[in-house]
Amino acid sequence: GDSVTQMEGPVTLSEEAFLTINCTYTATGYPSLFWYVQYPGEGLQLLLKATKADDKGSNKGFEATYRKETTSFHLEKGSVQVSDSAVYFCALSDPLTNAGKSTFGDGTTLTVKP
Amino acid sequence: DTGVSQDPRHKITKRGQNVTFRCDPISEHNRLYWYRQTLGQGPEFLTYFQNEAQLEKSRLLSDRFSAERPKGSFSTLEIQRTEQGDSAMYLCASSLKQASGITYEQYFGPGTRLTVT
Repeated sequence: GDSVTQMEGPVTLSEEAFLTINCTYTATGYPSLFWYVQYPGEGLQLLLKATKADDKGSNKGFEATYRKETTSFHLEKGSVQVSDSAVYFCALSDPLTNAGKSTFGDGTTLTVKP
Repeated sequence: DTGVSQDPRHKITKRGQNVTFRCDPISEHNRLYWYRQTLGQGPEFLTYFQNEAQLEKSRLLSDRFSAERPKGSFSTLEIQRTEQGDSAMYLCASSLKQASGITYEQYFGPGTRLTVT
């Protein structure tokens, strides 16, 4: 079945540092890939998405590129802020074959210190 | 568009009691999903509806769990005879399946945190 593997956390960075959170996936079809962010006590917010190979999703300074050859979708940000502290989830969904339901990684906790 | 809402946000119950959660999806969305999230884990799929029809249930959904979406709008998730292992965040999401057959991204509600004592 489909699966998502994220780098283990927690990740602690200083403000303005460069962020990379690794995500790799296994899927039988042609999934769409997503990054969600979860702040304490809240639900998941869609951060960015990519629907086909070589697409780059971007939002709020975060970027991720859909790499089919390496089955990866790594999240990057050039300069993190304290307000980026949250849990980040990588997810996949096959829009045609699995009813749109998502498979998630276990999340990576990011803490940014001033 | 007011987003996906869930009620209650928090529920504390004693073991053996029944609980019911409600989810109101984005109004034009025809698909509704329930997920369970435990501490330190990503959300796990429980079940989903297309309009009022429940089309898939995960093996995680034991006989004590039941979900409904009676008029294809809001949905309820009931847990009977709660156990301590049911303590988790229950997330609802909705999406739109288009005529092309493609379902786009899901929009999540804030979740209901259940604590069974």
